[in-house]
Amino acid sequence: DAGITQSPRYKITETGRQVTLMCHQTWSHSYMFWYRQDLGHGLRLIYYSAAADITDKGEVPDGYVVSRSKTENFPLTLESATRSQTSVYFCASKDAGLAGLDEQFFGPGTRLTVL
Amino acid sequence: RKEVEQDPGPFNVPEGATVAFNCTYSNSASQSFFWYRQDCRKEPKLLMSVYSSGNEDGRFTAQLNRASQYISLLIRDSKLSDSATYLCVGEGILTGGGNKLTFGTGTQLKVEL
Repeated sequence: DAGITQSPRYKITETGRQVTLMCHQTWSHSYMFWYRQDLGHGLRLIYYSAAADITDKGEVPDGYVVSRSKTENFPLTLESATRSQTSVYFCASKDAGLAGLDEQFFGPGTRLTVL
Repeated sequence: RKEVEQDPGPFNVPEGATVAFNCTYSNSASQSFFWYRQDCRKEPKLLMSVYSSGNEDGRFTAQLNRASQYISLLIRDSKLSDSATYLCVGEGILTGGGNKLTFGTGTQLKVEL
């Protein structure tokens, strides 16, 4: 299916476990982003990628690792999950375009609970 | 101070009413602003961009006031289907350089019969 997808949609894990959230887009967009959304904080940028093999930190990168070996995939790994990482995670993508800050397209989100 | 601030609401309005949301931003160098809509437990989706000259799309009007650093969204003739959370989005600066979108926490709108 065309668009941007995330998996799993729901995940429950335990403190200390490694968790990988997957993001896949079919538009060949250059940019991909990972956000977390928590009550009272809005969406906060964790990591972003401007192209394959180019990634950079966002506002809240600690405890997360990303990679982008292929344009269409941008997995997010929690190396050792903590309860504070319980959140809803959204992946987004956008084309490079002429405007640097134009529309981002969001995936459906992954609800992660860390016990 | 948050980079983008919104009144969380909820705004409870009757169907057919006109409702306005305001949002303030702290980065005076910001050039790009948007309103996104987010339905309950769903992903955010772009509603409209915001320009200094104003931007109208059907029942929705967005306005930018640079002097006062606020953005507004006006919804006329509210529909039940307008019930959602409206996210104000501005431009922010990453600590490592580069630009990012900064999202407000959202304003919840409930349109009632």
